[in-house]
Amino acid sequence: DGGITQSPKYLFRKEGQNVTLSCEQNLNHDAMYWYRQDPGQGLRLIYYSQIVNDFQKGDIAEGYSVSREKKESFPLTVTSAQKNPTAFYLCASSSSWAAGPQETQYFGPGTRLLVL
Amino acid sequence: AQSVTQLDSHVSVSEGTPVLLRCNYSSSYSPSLFWYVQHPNKGLQLLLKYTSAATLVKGINGFEAEFKKSETSFHLTKPSAHMSDAAEYFCVVRHNTNAGKSTFGDGTTLTVKP
Repeated sequence: DGGITQSPKYLFRKEGQNVTLSCEQNLNHDAMYWYRQDPGQGLRLIYYSQIVNDFQKGDIAEGYSVSREKKESFPLTVTSAQKNPTAFYLCASSSSWAAGPQETQYFGPGTRLLVL
Repeated sequence: AQSVTQLDSHVSVSEGTPVLLRCNYSSSYSPSLFWYVQHPNKGLQLLLKYTSAATLVKGINGFEAEFKKSETSFHLTKPSAHMSDAAEYFCVVRHNTNAGKSTFGDGTTLTVKP
């Protein structure tokens, strides 16, 4: 059963703490993405990776970090430098960055991060 | 640069009546356009996409959208709303010069009344 999994579904962060959100895909996709969603707003791109061992900053990368050591995994760390981390985080993937704009992005179920 | 504007933040219809969710885009290049649906606390699911083939695109669950270049629009329609259509809908634009990067509209919340 192919798809994207994100864990945990809910995550609580204490002041000054780093937390890591997991994203795994078994679609054999090269490209992966992290988005942040705030109420009443569209999705904003945090980081993306075109291929394993490569990643690029998106529009709102400050306070976040990623790694792409394996093709199927793209974890996102929300660092203590991110002062307003409460949001819904969505991971996505597509078969190839270079395939063109018609490539469909597939989304995971999301992780809701809350600050204690 | 590319941008997308969803003209209505909320749309309310009665069950069985038509649905119209409006989307205008701006792109310097030939765009690809997508509509996604999101149910509460869920990920986004693709409804349909336009990729420079037929201008009338049919998607899942009876939805369709028409690409109108002269009006820079890509409105989403459905002839008859169902209660299960209540969700948030996002219009997305991408273009050839930055293939993987999507620009999302702010979303339209669709409410379906019995």
